[in-house]
Amino acid sequence: DGGITQSPKYLFRKEGQNVTLSCEQNLNHDAMYWYRQDPGQGLRLIYYSQIVNDFQKGDIAEGYSVSREKKESFPLTVTSAQKNPTAFYLCASSIYWTTNYGYTFGSGTRLTVV
Amino acid sequence: KQEVTQIPAALSVPEGENLVLNCSFTDSAIYNLQWFRQDPGKGLTSLLLIQSSQREQTSGRLNASLDKSSGRSTLYIAASQPGDSATYLCAVLMDSSYKLIFGSGTRLLVRP
Repeated sequence: DGGITQSPKYLFRKEGQNVTLSCEQNLNHDAMYWYRQDPGQGLRLIYYSQIVNDFQKGDIAEGYSVSREKKESFPLTVTSAQKNPTAFYLCASSIYWTTNYGYTFGSGTRLTVV
Repeated sequence: KQEVTQIPAALSVPEGENLVLNCSFTDSAIYNLQWFRQDPGKGLTSLLLIQSSQREQTSGRLNASLDKSSGRSTLYIAASQPGDSATYLCAVLMDSSYKLIFGSGTRLLVRP
């Protein structure tokens, strides 16, 4: 079955540590996205990528970095510069060239600072 | 700047009741609107997608409508069941950047 795989499901970060969240899709989608969700709030866009080797900042990119070396993969690194990283992180993908289809989401990674 | 609002924030109904969830947006220049379901601690599951040229979409007991000119969408759930308990999120797709703007969701509890 086609879909988006996020790993790990739970991640614990120590103060000052960088951590990387994995997102892999086998849907052959061009565009991929990272969202952050805080309790009781909607999703906020961190970074997005429309094609390989290209990505743009979203609304809350500070303290995060991404890469898009392969169409299938869009890892997110939460750096030590992100002061409040505890949140639920969701990866999504879409067929870029048409609006006839919606977004597909992964099952999320819950990041906690310890 | 696009703002998406969902009312109510939480809703509790007895099983079998028909219900309506509301979503409003401030900028009518959208490509489409999507309704999602989110179970606690899980990712988002797409329920319905309405293109800007459409008025409604139906899937089983779910019906979503869109009035782009007034900036409103509703999700109608018929004959609610306890398994419908979840948070429902609406999101609008803006311009060619393909960024989805989300509302904060309605948390639904269907009581047996």
